[in-house]
Amino acid sequence: DGGITQSPKYLFRKEGQNVTLSCEQNLNHDAMYWYRQDPGQGLRLIYYSQIVNDFQKGDIAEGYSVSREKKESFPLTVTSAQKNPTAFYLCASSKRGGVAANEQFFGPGTRLTVL
Amino acid sequence: KNEVEQSPQNLTAQEGEFITINCSYSVGISALHWLQQHPGGGIVSLFMLSSGKKKHGRLIATINIQEKHSSLHITASHPRDSAVYICAVDSGGGADGLTFGKGTHLIIQP
Repeated sequence: DGGITQSPKYLFRKEGQNVTLSCEQNLNHDAMYWYRQDPGQGLRLIYYSQIVNDFQKGDIAEGYSVSREKKESFPLTVTSAQKNPTAFYLCASSKRGGVAANEQFFGPGTRLTVL
Repeated sequence: KNEVEQSPQNLTAQEGEFITINCSYSVGISALHWLQQHPGGGIVSLFMLSSGKKKHGRLIATINIQEKHSSLHITASHPRDSAVYICAVDSGGGADGLTFGKGTHLIIQP
């Protein structure tokens, strides 16, 4: 079945450590997105990528990094510079970036807890 | 930057009731999305609309572009409809992600 997979579902990290969240899609979508969700707040955009080897900062990119070496993969690294990394992270994809009104498909999410 | 407001924040209703969730936004958009998030966290896209009305089963979504307002209706509500419903708008043609409301937490009691 086509879809988006994120792993792991739950992740625990010690303060000061970098950690990488995986996002893979087999929908042949060009655009991919990373969002962060905190209690009582709407999802916020961290990074997005419209095509391979290109990505752009979203609203809250500080303390995060991404890569887009393959169309199907868009890993997110939460670095030690991110001051409050405990959150729920969602990856999404859409068919085409840079054009109007694409439906976005979401992964199941990764819940990151920093101890 | 678009501001997206949803109301109510929380809604508890009895099975069978007609449910309405509202969404308003501040700047013109190319499309509006209604999403459903279950307790496990995964998000499912319910509707994407840019004008008029769409219907899928017991769910109906409407949008008024002039008033910058959308509603999601659930007819004959059922406990399995209990979830968080999220409104999101596409302001930039999909290039830079969506702007999300904070969500409406719906509980349908049997």
